[in-house]
Amino acid sequence: DTGVSQNPRHKITKRGQNVTFRCDPISEHNRLYWYRQTLGQGPEFLTYFQNEAQLEKSRLLSDRFSAERPKGSFSTLEIQRTEQGDSAMYLCASSLGQSGYTFGSGTRLTVV
Amino acid sequence: QKEVEQNSGPLSVPEGAIASLNCTYSDRGSQSFFWYRQYSGKSPELIMFIYSNGDKEDGRFTAQLNKASQYVSLLIRDSQPSDSATYLCAVNTGGFKTIFGAGTRLFVKA
Repeated sequence: DTGVSQNPRHKITKRGQNVTFRCDPISEHNRLYWYRQTLGQGPEFLTYFQNEAQLEKSRLLSDRFSAERPKGSFSTLEIQRTEQGDSAMYLCASSLGQSGYTFGSGTRLTVV
Repeated sequence: QKEVEQNSGPLSVPEGAIASLNCTYSDRGSQSFFWYRQYSGKSPELIMFIYSNGDKEDGRFTAQLNKASQYVSLLIRDSQPSDSATYLCAVNTGGFKTIFGAGTRLFVKA
């Protein structure tokens, strides 16, 4: 098992463009999470999937953010009409139960 | 009041000393508590989790939980320069999400 894989590692985009990130969790893990982290802050919860069902979405997420996890496997996070305030590290994590997360390496988004 | 609070540091300790990292949380219903280590430019890595009041030891690391005081701590014995990182306290209230503190930066001086 190669752990949680995230692609791309880095993304630079112009304001107003759409971006999509991919996360491949550990295959045995049924829970998948997206977090966002900015410099000097802890990870901030965005959304959670149990298998293919999206069970919780942060109030912080605007309608420009959407996430999917088709067939309970990989997940995608899309940001439409990006803004400079969206610049952050986007972290995906997976878990089996409540014993803590395994994080991917993250996707660093820079909106210029 | 933030849900999970940590002193941002930096906390500086000499090599070989005990580093003590502290965290308080606001939700009395919190059930699971975690410590993650994050090196600069890297993603968080789980060090320990604790569910019950008291101490839990794993190698040089000891997590301590006091639910009555809503307090979690992490002790690192025989601190090494390689322990220099940001330590994130995280709390799960029994729902789907885990709330992270902003982290404490630790420097271990050789």
